[in-house]
Amino acid sequence: DARVTQTPRHKVTEMGQEVTMRCQPILGHNTVFWYRQTMMQGLELLAYFRNRAPLDDSGMPKDRFSAEMPDATLATLKIQPSEPRDSAVYFCASGVGAGPYEQYFGPGTRLTVT
Amino acid sequence: AQTVTQSQPEMSVQEAETVTLSCTYDTSESDYYLFWYKQPPSRQMILVIRQEAYKQQNATENRFSVNFQKAAKSFSLKISDSQLGDAAMYFCAYRSYTGNQFYFGTGTSLTVIP
Repeated sequence: DARVTQTPRHKVTEMGQEVTMRCQPILGHNTVFWYRQTMMQGLELLAYFRNRAPLDDSGMPKDRFSAEMPDATLATLKIQPSEPRDSAVYFCASGVGAGPYEQYFGPGTRLTVT
Repeated sequence: AQTVTQSQPEMSVQEAETVTLSCTYDTSESDYYLFWYKQPPSRQMILVIRQEAYKQQNATENRFSVNFQKAAKSFSLKISDSQLGDAAMYFCAYRSYTGNQFYFGTGTSLTVIP
């Protein structure tokens, strides 16, 4: 049963610390998305990749957030330095690039910045 | 950019009854895909149903069906014989025929009353 995996599932850190979230997309999927979900803002798209190349990261605060795909099996989202307002659930999703495909979501990383 | 609107932040339904969740979208494209996702308390996003805009027939998946009105740009989800396990946040999403990005609504929180 193929699924998107994310680590860690929960992260509590202090303001100013670096946070790295990892995502393993489903094998064969060539698009990867990072979302942030909060009560106030709902589901926000931060960035997405196709064939490992970043297509859009306009939703990401550039000064502190960065997203990469070092290889086809790993996507990372890094926050440095973290701030309390970054507290949210971060989802990774993957999909294939053609047809009426759905996005397959990972279980999310709940980040708390104190 | 396309926008997706879910005008009902919260809905409730009696167990075994039927409920309809509303979704409208704004687009100038003629070909696209529409989706309903369910997010239970576990936070895992799960695809409920999808509709391809070029298909006139409304999609159905067991107790879930849609009322797709292309001219009105409306895509509502009907849940029949509601069950306690249907309690969740429901998100409507749009993807263009040629694009990769998904556009999500703000969600509708569904409560099922025993």
